[in-house]
Amino acid sequence: DAGITQSPRHKVTETGTPVTLRCHQTENHRYMYWYRQDPGHGLRLIHYSYGVKDTDKGEVSDGYSVSRSKTEDFLLTLESATSSQTSVYFCAISESGQGNGYTFGSGTRLTVV
Amino acid sequence: GESVGLHLPTLSVQEGDNSIINCAYSNSASDYFIWYKQESGKGPQFIIDIRSNMDKRQGQRVTVLLNKTVKHLSLQIAATQPGDSAVYFCAESPLKQAGTALIFGKGTTLSVSS
Repeated sequence: DAGITQSPRHKVTETGTPVTLRCHQTENHRYMYWYRQDPGHGLRLIHYSYGVKDTDKGEVSDGYSVSRSKTEDFLLTLESATSSQTSVYFCAISESGQGNGYTFGSGTRLTVV
Repeated sequence: GESVGLHLPTLSVQEGDNSIINCAYSNSASDYFIWYKQESGKGPQFIIDIRSNMDKRQGQRVTVLLNKTVKHLSLQIAATQPGDSAVYFCAESPLKQAGTALIFGKGTTLSVSS
């Protein structure tokens, strides 16, 4: 998707290991979001950021942390991965955070074994 | 055309039919609504949005209807094509609450057969 890149696209990791997913944008948008997508649940917000070093929790933040040291990068860390965190993770960006749609990345498929 | 009165996870239509996908939103304070389309293996893609001061908004082959009285949103797709096959999500947001993230519905899978 234009202006937003997620890495890696796929990852398999073992239970108990830390994992970091990266979201990179070239749009200079202020707002960035991490969602997870699971069958039967749709997209659920994990954390979001409204500026450099400004972050807040979403609906399903337990077990996750985020960091935003630069406008263009928003990192999602699973401190100690569990099988329940097997999911597809989407990053999204927004210029104003309200009244606008988001632009989504292509997703990261994470499998915790 | 085929429609669903309540939210159903799947909708199957024939090519050329009109499709109607419904969504019930939860927050009466929500005043901005969006429909997204998600194709297999891709991220959601913006289709159309509507603000609460409107009842209807039209795009290219798509129309969104908003009924605030019953907190109901619908997406109409005219002359549905096989390329419209995807999962469709509605999302809501309160405009007046800065920084509040979009809340997504569970999605409806649209299957178009030719």
